[in-house]
Amino acid sequence: GAGVSQTPSNKVTEKGKYVELRCDPISGHTALYWYRQSLGQGPEFLIYFQGTGAADDSGLPNDRFFAVRPEGSVSTLKIQRTERGDSAVYLCASSLGLPGGELFFGEGSRLTVL
Amino acid sequence: KQEVTQIPAALSVPEGENLVLNCSFTDSAIYNLQWFRQDPGKGLTSLLLIQSSQREQTSGRLNASLDKSSGRSTLYIAASQPGDSATYLCAVMGTSGTYKYIFGTGTRLKVLA
Repeated sequence: GAGVSQTPSNKVTEKGKYVELRCDPISGHTALYWYRQSLGQGPEFLIYFQGTGAADDSGLPNDRFFAVRPEGSVSTLKIQRTERGDSAVYLCASSLGLPGGELFFGEGSRLTVL
Repeated sequence: KQEVTQIPAALSVPEGENLVLNCSFTDSAIYNLQWFRQDPGKGLTSLLLIQSSQREQTSGRLNASLDKSSGRSTLYIAASQPGDSATYLCAVMGTSGTYKYIFGTGTRLKVLA
């Protein structure tokens, strides 16, 4: 596609529920990143994919968070047993995957856990 | 562990002023540094990418410099306009480990008409 696409743009859920956030990167971009951004803060790294594999998942806060990219394109971030502290904007970015590649971001998915 | 700091946290200037935003990082072993703009409620838009071998990059009224040895980058905005009002973020990619970007907390800029 022309840009990075994220769905849903807005998600409101109740504490304890399961949530999936989807990211469709720019066509041909092999690297895909998930970040989380709280109000007034910079993006916080969660996980990075190179192709289908998670090259670095050191930013995932705990085992309630999981991400997949089964065919090396679309990625899904999955959050189990959501907590109020998970409320944030989840940003996805992609790049060509070469070292030092330019990052292109989507508009983000705003998650609110009540 | 790489840490990225941006000062000031917020800045308000009259239209037409030239201004400088600062970004510092603790580990000088970087592949590159990227500056982004973020409008309220939106994603990040890439402004400039400086590779570690470069000293500066320019795009229109924007100029970004990189001093790797001192762990600093500056973003210079010439002749600021109200449309430049946004949050500006810098991010660095390290050479050790994987190719992830570490972000600063941003500078919130307001240009007054």
